[in-house]
This record gives sequence, C-alpha cells and structure tokens, in this order.
Amino acid sequence: GNSVTQMEGPVTLSEEAFLTINCTYTATGYPSLFWYVQYPGEGLQLLLKATKADDKGSNKGFEATYRKETTSFHLEKGSVQVSDSAVYFCALTPILTGGGNKLTFGTGTQLKVEL
Amino acid sequence: DAGVTQSPTHLIKTRGQQVTLRCSPKSGHDTVSWYQQALGQGPQFIFQYYEEEERQRGNFPDRFSGHQFPNYSSELNVNALLLGDSALYLCASSLASDQPQHFGDGTRLSIL
Repeated sequence: GNSVTQMEGPVTLSEEAFLTINCTYTATGYPSLFWYVQYPGEGLQLLLKATKADDKGSNKGFEATYRKETTSFHLEKGSVQVSDSAVYFCALTPILTGGGNKLTFGTGTQLKVEL
Repeated sequence: DAGVTQSPTHLIKTRGQQVTLRCSPKSGHDTVSWYQQALGQGPQFIFQYYEEEERQRGNFPDRFSGHQFPNYSSELNVNALLLGDSALYLCASSLASDQPQHFGDGTRLSIL
C-alpha cells in the first residue's frame, strides 16, 4: 500500500536559519505529492504541491521538488520566521483509478522557531 | 468566500453513545472527505463522498458511517463510541477528484 515517512520532530531552529524537513514515500506509479501545515488549534492548510517527477512546488518561501529516483519530496525554506512554527505534514494521493483522491499522510514534523 | 466549515467545534460524549458531526464544503466543491487525527499523529482517511454516494472507504469499522446531501454538505456518524474514538475529526472538500483538498478546522471529540 501507499505510505509516507517523515523525519521525526520536534525540529527547533533559530530565526533566519535554513529549514529542511525530509519526506520519502512508497507508492505505485506517479502519485501527486503535497505539503500541508497545521497551526495550533486549526485544520490543515495546503502549503504546496507537485504532480509529476521533477516538478517544484513553492509557496511563501517554502519549496519542495518531486524526486522520483529517490522517492522523496523534502521541504525547504531558506530563512524561517517565528510565524512558521507549526506542524508540517507530507502527503500523497495515488494515480486516479476510478475516481477518488484519498490522501495518505505522514506522522507530521513539529517545527519550533525561536528568536 | 467561505471555506470548509465544521460543527460543532468541540464535543464530549461517553462510551456507547452516538455522535453526528457536520461539514459544509467550500463554495463550488462537490467532493467531501472525512479524516480522523489522533493526538500527535497524521490524519487517517475514513471515507469520501461524491454525488451523495460513498466512493472510497478507509480501514474503519462499520460504526463509522456518513451521508452527503444534495447541497454537498455531509455528516459523519459514529455509533457505540469507544475511548479510542477520541480525536480531531477533519472534513476536507475538493472540486472533483483530481483537485487538492481544502480542510476545515475540525471537530475535537472527547470520549469519557
């Protein structure tokens, strides 16, 4: 079956530091890949996505590149801010077969950014 | 443009009771999915509704059931509640099955 593995947290960084959160996946074919962010007490917000190999998703300074050869979709940001403190989830949906876009999530990585 | 709205925000029930959670999708969306998020875990897919029918189902027992109405809103029903059902229940909507899902803020269900 499909699965997503994320690096464990919490990840604690100083403001303006470089961020990498690792994500690898197991799936047949070419799934679509996503990063969602969850702030305390809220639901999930779509951060970025990529739908085919070598695609780069980007949003709000965050980037992730779909690497089929390494089955990875690592999240990066060049300079984090305190406001980036949240839990980040990597997720995938399989190739559509008869409809449906069920999301399979990783366990999440908590990011804490300090001044 | 209202996003996905869920009600209630919080709910406390006791073991054996039944509960109904409600979801209104983002305007223009026709597909609704439900997820269960246990504390410290990623969301787990429960089921998805499209055109008032259950299209996909995750690995959840029959105690979990749902419904989608003609206006695309949806309900999640859980019978015979167990302590392990305590979680954040998230509703997500999308336009068709090949578009990204947008999530509501969830219903926090606590079972005593």
